[in-house]
Amino acid sequence: EDQVTQSPEALRLQEGESSSLNCSYTVSGLRGLFWYRQDPGKGPEFLFTLYSAGEEKEKERLKATLTKKESFLHITAPKPEDSATYLCARPGGSQGNLIFGKGTKLSVKP
Amino acid sequence: GAVVSQHPSWVICKSGTSVKIECRSLDFQATTMFWYRQFPKQSLMLMATSNEGSKATYEQGVEKDKFLINHASLTLSTLTVTSAHPEDSSFYICSASGGTGQGPLEQYFGPGTRLTVT
Repeated sequence: EDQVTQSPEALRLQEGESSSLNCSYTVSGLRGLFWYRQDPGKGPEFLFTLYSAGEEKEKERLKATLTKKESFLHITAPKPEDSATYLCARPGGSQGNLIFGKGTKLSVKP
Repeated sequence: GAVVSQHPSWVICKSGTSVKIECRSLDFQATTMFWYRQFPKQSLMLMATSNEGSKATYEQGVEKDKFLINHASLTLSTLTVTSAHPEDSSFYICSASGGTGQGPLEQYFGPGTRLTVT
């Protein structure tokens, strides 16, 4: 079965300590890889879509990259307000639903 | 742009009653809306897909007679949980796609509705 696997499950960083989150997938013919941020008790907030290997997108302290097998979400010099669960997803069925990974819970301490 | 709202944000109901949750796309027309459910410390699981003016498509294991979905317009979809039971307590989130300027598969999510059945 096609999977979306995220690692690590949880990540604790000090403010300013850069790191990366991983999302690996096992599907051929990827039609997009999506990154979302979810705060507790809130719906996911769209961050990025990546469509082809080698593609990169940036937004403030976040940069998403994509290879043929995985995607990385790089966080540069994080701040406490970056604390959240980061979800990656890939398209599922023909109607465009998304299949989500379990997420990485990021905590940034001041 | 691409704002999706949900109402109510939280609801408590008694076992056996029905609850309706509304999902609206505020600044775009959503050709497709999706309903997800999220249990604590779990990821989002798709329940059903709805297209305006047609019957919803339910995922395997989701009872269509229990979770009634109506997508009457391009900006509104509703999920009604009928005869709710405590095991239906969860976080229900809708998403919508189809706005101009969005990528073909990009979805924008509502803030979610916390349902607690007592």
